[in-house]
Amino acid sequence: SQTIHQWPATLVQPVGSPLSLECTVEGTSNPNLYWYRQAAGRGLQLLFYSVGIGQISSEVPQNLSASRPQDRQFILSSKKLLLSDSGFYLCAWSVLGAATTYEQYFGPGTRLTVT
Amino acid sequence: AQSVTQPDIHITVSEGASLELRCNYSYGATPYLFWYVQSPGQGLQLLLKYFSGDTLVQGIKGFEAEFKRSQSSFNLRKPSVHWSDAAEYFCAVGREKLTFGTGTRLTIIP
Repeated sequence: SQTIHQWPATLVQPVGSPLSLECTVEGTSNPNLYWYRQAAGRGLQLLFYSVGIGQISSEVPQNLSASRPQDRQFILSSKKLLLSDSGFYLCAWSVLGAATTYEQYFGPGTRLTVT
Repeated sequence: AQSVTQPDIHITVSEGASLELRCNYSYGATPYLFWYVQSPGQGLQLLLKYFSGDTLVQGIKGFEAEFKRSQSSFNLRKPSVHWSDAAEYFCAVGREKLTFGTGTRLTIIP
C-alpha cells in the first residue's frame, strides 16, 4: 500500500532563517506531487506541483521554492522566511493513468510557525 | 476557471441527527468532485469522489454525496452523526489540479 511521510511535524523558525520541508511517498511510482499551504481558518492553497523529477510548476509567486530530486521525494524550501509563511504545509500525491479518477492523498502535514 | 464554494463556515449538529454540508462548484467540463475530512492538526482524508455514473455516491464512515449538475452542487450527507465526525470538511473539484473550498467546521453536541 502507499504511504506518504512529511517531516518535521512541527517547526518554529525565526524570520529570515532558511526552510526545508521534506515529503516522501512509498509504494507508488512516478506520482504527481503537490505542496499546499493551509492558513488558519482558510482552505488549501496550491503552492507547487510536479509531474516528474526536476519538473516543478509554481502556482503562487512567493519566496518559497520546490525541488524534486528523486521520483518520490518533494522538498519545499525558502532562503529567508517571512512571518506570512506561517501555516500548515501539506504534501499530497496522485497517480495519473488511463483509468485515473484524480484523487489526491495527503500526508500528515508540517506546522510551521515563523517568529 | 474552476472554483468551489462552501457557504457554511461552521455547522453545529446534535449527535444522532442528520447532516448535510453544502458545496457548489464551477467547472468548464465534466467535473471530478471530492469530499475530504480533516481532524485538527492532521492531513486530509478522502471521504468520497464522483466522476461519472450514479449521481449518488457512497463513501467511508457512512457518508454519501449527491451530484446535481443542474444546481452545480455536490452536497455531503450523513443520516446520523457521531461525536467522532466533528472535524473540518472540504469539497474539491478538478483533475490534475484540485481547487478546494474554504471548508465547513462541524461541531457535534452530545
